[in-house]
Formats: sequence, structure tokens, C-alpha cells
Amino acid sequence: GAGVSQSPSNKVTEKGKDVELRCDPISGHTALYWYRQSLGQGLEFLIYFQGNSAPDKSGLPSDRFSAERTGGSVSTLTIQRTQQEDSAVYLCASSIDTGGYTGELFFGEGSRLTVL
Amino acid sequence: GDSVTQMEGPVTLSEEAFLTINCTYTATGYPSLFWYVQYPGEGLQLLLKATKADDKGSNKGFEATYRKETTSFHLEKGSVQVSDSAVYFCALSSQWGQGGKLIFGQGTELSVKP
Repeated sequence: GAGVSQSPSNKVTEKGKDVELRCDPISGHTALYWYRQSLGQGLEFLIYFQGNSAPDKSGLPSDRFSAERTGGSVSTLTIQRTQQEDSAVYLCASSIDTGGYTGELFFGEGSRLTVL
Repeated sequence: GDSVTQMEGPVTLSEEAFLTINCTYTATGYPSLFWYVQYPGEGLQLLLKATKADDKGSNKGFEATYRKETTSFHLEKGSVQVSDSAVYFCALSSQWGQGGKLIFGQGTELSVKP
């Protein structure tokens, strides 16, 4: 597709359930990022992939959060045993990583997660 | 650690008014600085950037100057339009060559009335 695609766009789940959020980056973009946007909290970095490896996962809030990327393309963010404080919009972004840094991240529209 | 602080919103202006959204940062080394914008119902997109001190980024009538002495990157526009209504995020990256990890401010919501 032309842009970064995320699914589902909205997810309502019960506390304690597991959820999976999917991100399809722009074709050819080697770098992929997950951020979390909570009400009044701005954007919080979660994890960064270069290809299929994650050199920086320092932002994952707890061991309930994990992410993987396969084929250098699609990424899945998994939250196990969801808690109410996990409610947020989860944003995915991709970029061409040329070995330098241009700041040109392309964001998807996000997956809104609500934990009841 | 590195951080970005933006003025709190919401900011409400009349069309053709002058806009300033303040942004200051704390960082080690020499960060690159960015403004991203999120229009209603859309994903964030890069508005402008500056990669070294005294650089001025500009786009769509918006400008911001990288001020190392005041650690600031304030966003300005001389005459706002209704279509500028959006949430604006200031961000920095200090990890040159280590990927594009951005540190964002909290965002400032701008509402422009006709």
C-alpha cells in the first residue's frame, strides 16, 4: 500500500485478555517503530526494529509487552494479560534507514485499544 | 535523559492570527529537532526539521529555528488558517546512525476559528 497500515483500528477487550496489533510498513522501509499515545501523555517510544531485529526495545513498559517482525516487513505488537492502564492508541511508523537519520518517520493512523 | 517540553494546549486563535507554539528540549550531544503535525483523523506527518544549531526549518508557512543557546525550537506562523487546526508535536533525535528513535513532547492542540 501507499502508507503505513495498522489493524485493527479499534479494539475493545476485557482486562486479562491478550491482544495483538498489526503493522504493515511502507514497502522497502527497513526501520519500523512502535509508539504509544496516551491521553495527555504525548507519544511514548516502545520499540524499534531494523530489519527483523530490535536493537532498541527500551520503551516496552513490562514483560507483558512483546513485538516481532518477520520478513523485514509486517510487525506484531502483543500485549498479554491486558490491564486498564494499557488503554491507549498504539502507533506504528516506518522509515528508510540509510545509516544516518533524517527524522522522516511515516506514521499509520494507529490502533485504539480500550481495556475494560 | 533526553526530553521535550511543549506549551500546553489547547490554543484557540482566529483566522489570520500569529501563531507561536513553544518547545524546549534537554539532550546530550547535538540532537536533530522536528515538528510533526496530526490533522484530525490522520496519522502524524513531518512538518519541518532542523539538524544543527541556527538552522531554520520551514514548510507550509510554518517556521522554526534551532536555538542551541536557549535549547528551543519554537514553531511560528504569521497567519493561520482554519485548515491548520491540528495537534502539533515537537520532537528530537540524538541517536545519529542508530535509527530514528524520536522523543516527542506532549503535543499542543491548535484550533483556528473563522
